[in-house]
Order: sequence, then structure tokens, then C-alpha cells
Amino acid sequence: RKEVEQDPGPFNVPEGATVAFNCTYSNSASQSFFWYRQDCRKEPKLLMSVYSSGNEDGRFTAQLNRASQYISLLIRDSKLSDSATYLCVVRDTGRRALTFGSGTRLQVQP
Amino acid sequence: DAGVIQSPRHEVTEMGQEVTLRCKPISGHDYLFWYRQTMMRGLELLIYFNNNVPIDDSGMPEDRFSAKMPNASFSTLKIQPSEPRDSAVYFCASSDSGLAGSNEQFFGPGTRLTVL
Repeated sequence: RKEVEQDPGPFNVPEGATVAFNCTYSNSASQSFFWYRQDCRKEPKLLMSVYSSGNEDGRFTAQLNRASQYISLLIRDSKLSDSATYLCVVRDTGRRALTFGSGTRLQVQP
Repeated sequence: DAGVIQSPRHEVTEMGQEVTLRCKPISGHDYLFWYRQTMMRGLELLIYFNNNVPIDDSGMPEDRFSAKMPNASFSTLKIQPSEPRDSAVYFCASSDSGLAGSNEQFFGPGTRLTVL
């Protein structure tokens, strides 16, 4: 079983739609959680950290459920520029390296 | 301020040849990471350094792979001999553990390696 699991998609949604991505992680010792965004043939870039209380950054909302070991990302009012692969990422206690999910591809259509 | 710099951006080589990938982290960052991305396995950690010292090399596939960090501004990942299954995008990333740092990892543009 992979340490971080995501639905690979693709998710094809029209502009303006709301889309949600889910992710589960297997290591209960995981300490930090992130969503990274990766555009085609580019490097991953941090989209947002995920906090236990949930957090929002503009159109993006991230939630963490430690009991269920579940992370989510909600994108409201999708834009064409949101088309990318979204990577669910965890960092285990005492470790600096990141563990990546395989990514969920989003295609926003006009 | 320049981000993480990697070279070469693309490398095509033949099986059995030695390949050296290079990375210059962001100035002042004390952690450096090497990751590999393939379609089959996604993004995987190979090795990471703290203050030029290797901390975790458990992701290095086998003895054909080696990584060094001779100083705070330079690291290399070497594959010798290379094999077709080493074809992947290799990313270098760096982060700052200081109090003012966010611990965010900043990735370089990657080196796309093709081994024929």
C-alpha cells in the first residue's frame, strides 16, 4: 500500500465549477501536510500547507482529519489556470523529506 | 533572488555511460534534497543533506547511484553505469530550517534524463 494515496483523475470540470480532491495517508506519525501544484513538465510548487483546524487561501480550502488520516482540497470557482496536477504531500515526524502522492490531474474547460 | 539551479536541463545518454547531475541550492538554505519522478512511481526521495552531510539515503536505488555535497552551494548526483530504467526527471530541492524559514521546499526545474 502506498503511503499517500490519491485518485489520479483526471477531473474534467467547466470553468466556475467547484472541485474537491481527497487524499489518505497511512503513517499515523505524519506531522505536516501540504498540497503542491505541478504544471505539465514543470517542478512542483507549494500551493498551501494544511492545518488541523482547516485553512483557506482565496478560492482554495484545505482540510485535515487526523483521526481518519484524510486530507482534502477544495477549489471554488475554477479557472482555466487551475489546470494542473495537485500533489498531496506529507512529512513524517523527525524527518525533513516529503512523501508525495501520485497526484490528481485537473483539467478546467472553457 | 535565483531559485534552485539544476544542470543540465536535459540529458540523453547511452546505457553504460556515466551521468552527473548538478544542483545549486538557494543561498542560505541548509537542507538539500534529490527526488526522482517517473510515471510509474511518481515523485520519490533519493537522498537529502543537512549542512552538507547526508542524512537519509534510503531512497538511493542501488550502488550505481551516488550523491555528494562538497559545499553549501553545490551538490551532484551521479549514476554509473546508467541503465534505461534510470530514465526520469530528477529534481533538486532546498529548504531553510532557520527560525525565519517556513521549511517550504523549493524545487529546481529538474533534469530530464533519457538513457537509451
